Amino acid sequence: AQTVTQSQPEMSVQEAETVTLSCTYDTSESDYYLFWYKQPPSRQMILVIRQEAYKQQNATENRFSVNFQKAAKSFSLKISDSQLGDAAMYFCAYRSEVYAGNMLTFGGGTRLMVKP
Amino acid sequence: DVKVTQSSRYLVKRTGEKVFLECVQDMDHENMFWYRQDPGLGLRLIYFSYDVKMKEKGDIPEGYSVSREKKERFSLILESASTNQTSMYLCASSPLDRGPNNEQFFGPGTRLTVL
Repeated sequence: AQTVTQSQPEMSVQEAETVTLSCTYDTSESDYYLFWYKQPPSRQMILVIRQEAYKQQNATENRFSVNFQKAAKSFSLKISDSQLGDAAMYFCAYRSEVYAGNMLTFGGGTRLMVKP
Repeated sequence: DVKVTQSSRYLVKRTGEKVFLECVQDMDHENMFWYRQDPGLGLRLIYFSYDVKMKEKGDIPEGYSVSREKKERFSLILESASTNQTSMYLCASSPLDRGPNNEQFFGPGTRLTVL
């Protein structure tokens, strides 16, 4: 079974600065997808960014980018020019390409605080 | 926009009660999921369904059952609620295809307290 670990329960960043959230995972599979989801306070969880394991290029979505290190099984999220609206719980998630069902395995989450 | 709705945002029940949590999605998705969210543990999959009347156990199905009589609706049932089922419950849906653009869409969550 796959496991996903987020070693930082809480992080804080000054507005306009850059922060990196860590995620490691354990799998024996070679094909899979990785995701970062954002859960704002009292709001619905939304997808921030996704990465296909077979792609070497790191995914980027505006101010959000990932550092995907397949050999190290590491998938960190970098948020540039942090904004107050970035304050949320962030979850790293893994999806197998071997098993059917599109199920996600989540990490424990990182609470990001943004200081004005 | 995909919309996943859950019947209640907050629910308080007593130990031993039968509890129904309802989830409805409006995007004709085949897959639907129920997760439980606890601090430090992230989201853990309770059950999922890939078609009407079909269900598969997730990682923590004990104490729960599900029902999917219509494609758009997926219900989570706590047959006899216990205090250790106090948690946030999240419903999600996704299309059946397994392509790179497949993603799960989440409801707002139901915070259940069992007294």
